[in-house]
Amino acid sequence: RKEVEQDPGPFNVPEGATVAFNCTYSNSASQSFFWYRQDCRKEPKLLMSVYSSGNEDGRFTAQLNRASQYISLLIRDSKLSDSATYLCVAGRQTGANNLFFGTGTRLTVIP
Amino acid sequence: EAGVTQSPTHLIKTRGQQATLRCSPISGHTSVYWYQQALGLGLQFLLWYDEGEERNRGNFPPRFSGRQFPNYSSELNVNALELEDSALYLCASSRTGTSRNTGELFFGEGSRLTVL
Repeated sequence: RKEVEQDPGPFNVPEGATVAFNCTYSNSASQSFFWYRQDCRKEPKLLMSVYSSGNEDGRFTAQLNRASQYISLLIRDSKLSDSATYLCVAGRQTGANNLFFGTGTRLTVIP
Repeated sequence: EAGVTQSPTHLIKTRGQQATLRCSPISGHTSVYWYQQALGLGLQFLLWYDEGEERNRGNFPPRFSGRQFPNYSSELNVNALELEDSALYLCASSRTGTSRNTGELFFGEGSRLTVL
């Protein structure tokens, strides 16, 4: 079983829509969680960390459910520039060590 | 400030050959990570170096190896290349030490290896 699993999509949504991605992680000992964004033919970049209490950064909201071992990302008021692949990441330790990446969920925002 | 740099950008080899990929981390970062991103498989962790030492390796055969130099740059060597080694190899760096380590990895643009 993969350490982190995501729906690969693609998700095709119109501009202004709200879209949500979920991912699940298999190791209950995971301690750190992140969402990374990867544009086509580019390197992944950190979008946001995910905290137990949930956190919001502008139009982006991340949630963590430890009991069910899933992580979510909500994007409100989608922009064309949000089109990318979103990678869910779980780590077995705090910090950048031992990070496990999901295969990514592809989002296309349509005009 | 310069980001993580990798070379070469593209590399074409034939089966059985050896490939060497290079990475320079962001200044001040002492941890270097190597990942393989094959089509449809996502990022697979290969190796982690910190302060010149190999700290962890992923589930890859021994023909994948590397090292970290005193200036914290790193190289990844892949021996006896196989067709399925064709992938994008991404290097990332981070600050070392849990207390200073936010968990953010800074990736280079990658080296695309094609094995024919």
